[in-house]
Amino acid sequence: AQTVTQSQPEMSVQEAETVTLSCTYDTSENNYYLFWYKQPPSRQMILVIRQEAYKQQNATENRFSVNFQKAAKSFSLKISDSQLGDTAMYFCAFMNFLTGANNLFFGTGTRLTVIP
Amino acid sequence: KAGVTQTPRYLIKTRGQQVTLSCSPISGHRSVSWYQQTPGQGLQFLFEYFSETQRNKGNFPGRFSGRQFSNSRSEMNVSTLELGDSALYLCASSLTPETVNTEAFFGQGTRLTVV
Repeated sequence: AQTVTQSQPEMSVQEAETVTLSCTYDTSENNYYLFWYKQPPSRQMILVIRQEAYKQQNATENRFSVNFQKAAKSFSLKISDSQLGDTAMYFCAFMNFLTGANNLFFGTGTRLTVIP
Repeated sequence: KAGVTQTPRYLIKTRGQQVTLSCSPISGHRSVSWYQQTPGQGLQFLFEYFSETQRNKGNFPGRFSGRQFSNSRSEMNVSTLELGDSALYLCASSLTPETVNTEAFFGQGTRLTVV
């Protein structure tokens, strides 16, 4: 079974600063995907960034980047130049390559507050 | 194009009743999954449907069931409601279950309160 752990229930960051959210996971699988999802107060989960386990290069999407350490089973999210609209719950998620795209294991989330 | 639509948005039910929630996936998407989100347990996978067949199931009691119709719309049903079933129920759709389609698109959820 896969488990995803987010050890930071809450974090805050000043606007325009950088913040890093942590995620570790446990799996015996070799092929998988990792995701960061954002859930604003509207409740709709929005995909922020994804990482394929077979790729060594860390994924980047504009201000969002990850630090993927496969051996350590660590997958942290870095948000640069934080904006007020980044305030949300952030969930780390795992997808087994075999079970497919729509069967995700989520961490418990980190509530991020961007302070003006 | 329209996103994932879940109805109703809010629902209040009494213990012992049953409830049916509906999810319309993005047009062309054929895989639909359901998740339960609670403050205590976080987000947990309920089940996934593809081509009207349940493809995967999470660790939930048999009171939780679902189905998918030929137009890919899905419903989930919870019978004999318990207070602990109070949660946000999220639906997600993807083109197919294949991992090449790695993005699952979520609806805004149905907030179920059991009193």
